Amino acid sequence: GQNIDQPTEMTATEGAIVQINCTYQTSGFNGLFWYQQHAGEAPTFLSYNVLDGLEEKGRFSSFLSRSKGYSYLLLKELQMKDSASYLCAVRDGNNNNDMRFGAGTRLTVKP
Amino acid sequence: DSGVTQTPKHLITATGQRVTLRCSPRSGDLSVYWYQQSLDQGLQFLIQYYNGEERAKGNILERFSAQQFPDLHSELNLSSLELGDSALYFCASTGTGSTEAFFGQGTRLTVV
Repeated sequence: GQNIDQPTEMTATEGAIVQINCTYQTSGFNGLFWYQQHAGEAPTFLSYNVLDGLEEKGRFSSFLSRSKGYSYLLLKELQMKDSASYLCAVRDGNNNNDMRFGAGTRLTVKP
Repeated sequence: DSGVTQTPKHLITATGQRVTLRCSPRSGDLSVYWYQQSLDQGLQFLIQYYNGEERAKGNILERFSAQQFPDLHSELNLSSLELGDSALYFCASTGTGSTEAFFGQGTRLTVV
């Protein structure tokens, strides 16, 4: 099976940097994904890591350590519009690439 | 546009009733996932189908059921509805060749 854990809520200040952590346990790791979800809307894809290291995409970066079962999403230069839930998801290569999502971290950006 | 279509977008119904939510996955995607999201809550995994067969079950109530048809569209059936079933229901699809899951826009169910 898969267990995916991430903090329930975080708060940060506009212009700051925030790191959202995700730990996972899976039998056949084949990729980790981060999604952003604004209230009442569908989740949208942010980033994908399958190898160890940092993937940078503009203000957002995602890091993966497969040996530790750990990832983080780093958001820089926070903007008010970044207030959303951030979902960590893991793909299991042993089960037809099934995807499982964590419960999400609700980020509130304050002025 | 994610390529995943959910209908209807909104649904209002009374307690005790039964509704069917429909999802058409992206062309070629074999896996369909259903999620429930109550107000201010995270995504709760309900059930997954792969190429017509049930693959995994999450926190799905016995009053709920789903199926995936030969054309790969899926339906989620919710019966004996209760006020607490009011939520957003999302469908997502993945394929063997794609990396990420694609979400539909959701069906907002309101039980009154």
